Amino acid sequence: GAVVSQHPSRVICKSGTSVKIECRSLDFQATTMFWYRQFPKQSLMLMATSNEGSKATYEQGVEKDKFLINHASLTLSTLTVTSAHPEDSSFYICSAGSGLAVTDTQYFGPGTRLTVL
Amino acid sequence: RKEVEQDPGPFNVPEGATVAFNCTYSNSASQSFFWYRQDCRKEPKLLMSVYSSGNEDGRFTAQLNRASQYISLLIRDSKLSDSATYLCVVNADTGFQKLVFGTGTRLLVSP
Repeated sequence: GAVVSQHPSRVICKSGTSVKIECRSLDFQATTMFWYRQFPKQSLMLMATSNEGSKATYEQGVEKDKFLINHASLTLSTLTVTSAHPEDSSFYICSAGSGLAVTDTQYFGPGTRLTVL
Repeated sequence: RKEVEQDPGPFNVPEGATVAFNCTYSNSASQSFFWYRQDCRKEPKLLMSVYSSGNEDGRFTAQLNRASQYISLLIRDSKLSDSATYLCVVNADTGFQKLVFGTGTRLLVSP
């Protein structure tokens, strides 16, 4: 199957700093990338959908000015958590889709575990 | 009501047992259905898609009942390596790839 990478896999930062997470599709061009967040013992929650070259679409309750998403190419999307606080500590997972159809498969990255002290 | 509901478990079964998980979804316009597997502190991985006619992949069988908005996963001859959290996933009715995840059902297979 297709491969999606994320970097870093784990980050620990101080409150107030910004953290950038990269999501790359390694062997296919991703028309769309999705960013999810998963708190302990909870389900994955979609944060935003990004299409290459256009603004991301954020889910209700997700602050677009806090979670900056850039999808500058068909193989790279970045999520920047600005002025991170302890409540932002979570498992952030991206996924990439190669097509636009409902049935097109999404491929998930290995996730980034963010801990804000 | 949650969009996708699952029994969180855990289901504790011995090796070789057959175990079934159920899931209900609230949006009748949902079009695609999946079972994902998630190991502890890892990303979810697609186990199988679920089709209206039911489908089987080795020891795994998935069923979909659109009328009841109900999805099931049956695992036969459980292996220790099947221990994981199984996520029921449904696409939203936007006609695009927005997926809604259940909280998962945890399976523990013991020797």
